[in-house]
Amino acid sequence: DTEVTQTPKHLVMGMTNKKSLKCEQHMGHRAMYWYKQKAKKPPELMFVYSYEKLSINESVPSRFSPECPNSSLLNLHLHALQPEDSALYLCASSQDGGQVGQPQHFGDGTRLSIL
Amino acid sequence: QKEVEQNSGPLSVPEGAIASLNCTYSDRGSQSFFWYRQYSGKSPELIMFIYSNGDKEDGRFTAQLNKASQYVSLLIRDSQPSDSATYLCAGRVYGQNFVFGPGTRLSVLP
Repeated sequence: DTEVTQTPKHLVMGMTNKKSLKCEQHMGHRAMYWYKQKAKKPPELMFVYSYEKLSINESVPSRFSPECPNSSLLNLHLHALQPEDSALYLCASSQDGGQVGQPQHFGDGTRLSIL
Repeated sequence: QKEVEQNSGPLSVPEGAIASLNCTYSDRGSQSFFWYRQYSGKSPELIMFIYSNGDKEDGRFTAQLNKASQYVSLLIRDSQPSDSATYLCAGRVYGQNFVFGPGTRLSVLP
């Protein structure tokens, strides 16, 4: 069990569907992240929210749309995805309170399959 | 380009031996370093982090940091088959993104 909760754990969707991934943390962390991870590769950063503001968008396609409703919640809205978007999507959070050495904590991930 | 490098492995060690995992980084501004363990199909799990030169021990795990040589290592003593996983090294400049290495696959043979 992790302190970062992601839902759903698995998602199968068609290329024309619209769905959302959800992430929640109650550790008081002020930075939240979305990563995409393909098999046998490291996590690849997609979005970073710091103090509920999008601070970094690593040139991710517009078919992925992040949302941070409050400091505990992070959503990733999906629309018109491609088969190559099938991957493990990881949410993480970190304290970022001005101290060196604050780690990221990952959720269990959502396994996404695009048909 | 900020990079973190790791030998992809697989690194095979017999049960009970010491496994030594190494990581080098290019950005001298990196201040803190993190080791994650990831089992196949699962999410990364934090094992240790270190930000001061020297050694940091936690149970069977020891992290070592040498900022002058820009390398970080993770030693696993008394390796167990359950330690078989991919180990991700990550570095971070304060206030910036975490930069992950490609991971080293460890196999502990019974």
